[in-house]
Amino acid sequence: DGGITQSPKYLFRKEGQNVTLSCEQNLNHDAMYWYRQDPGQGLRLIYYSQIVNDFQKGDIAEGYSVSREKKESFPLTVTSAQKNPTAFYLCASSIDIGTGANVLTFGAGSRLTVL
Amino acid sequence: GQNIDQPTEMTATEGAIVQINCTYQTSGFNGLFWYQQHAGEAPTFLSYNVLDGLEEKGRFSSFLSRSKGYSYLLLKELQMKDSASYLCAVLDSNYQLIWGAGTKLIIKP
Repeated sequence: DGGITQSPKYLFRKEGQNVTLSCEQNLNHDAMYWYRQDPGQGLRLIYYSQIVNDFQKGDIAEGYSVSREKKESFPLTVTSAQKNPTAFYLCASSIDIGTGANVLTFGAGSRLTVL
Repeated sequence: GQNIDQPTEMTATEGAIVQINCTYQTSGFNGLFWYQQHAGEAPTFLSYNVLDGLEEKGRFSSFLSRSKGYSYLLLKELQMKDSASYLCAVLDSNYQLIWGAGTKLIIKP
């Protein structure tokens, strides 16, 4: 079955450490996204990528970095510069960007807790 | 600024009907989405509206009025498994999704 796989599901980090969240999709989608979800707030876009080797900052990119070396993979690194990294992180993909019916398929999420 | 408003929480009874409202103010409009998210899980797509009117899909229906900046999701014959958060999102003029904070729906027997 096609889908998006995120790992790890739960991650604990000490302050000052960088961590990388994995996101892999086998849907052959061109576009991939990283969102952050906090209680009482809407999803906030961190980074997105329309094609391989290209990505754009979203609304809250500070303290995060991404790469898109392969179509299937879009890992997110949460750096020590991110002031409040404890959150639920969702990776998503879509066929492309810039069309109306741009349905997102989401991964199961990664919950990061900073100790 | 851009804004999506939906109620924080709603409670309904199994077998009943519930309507979840969503109002929006965005820079342009290229469609409105509803997603369902069970606690700790991935959001899943429910519906997409770009033209005014009602779209029916089984027990779920979604309505849009672009002139009023308003949508609702109607859930009929509620089941316990419908207990989840329902997320409203609008695609703006730059094809960026603006998300509401979600409505947590609690179903009681």
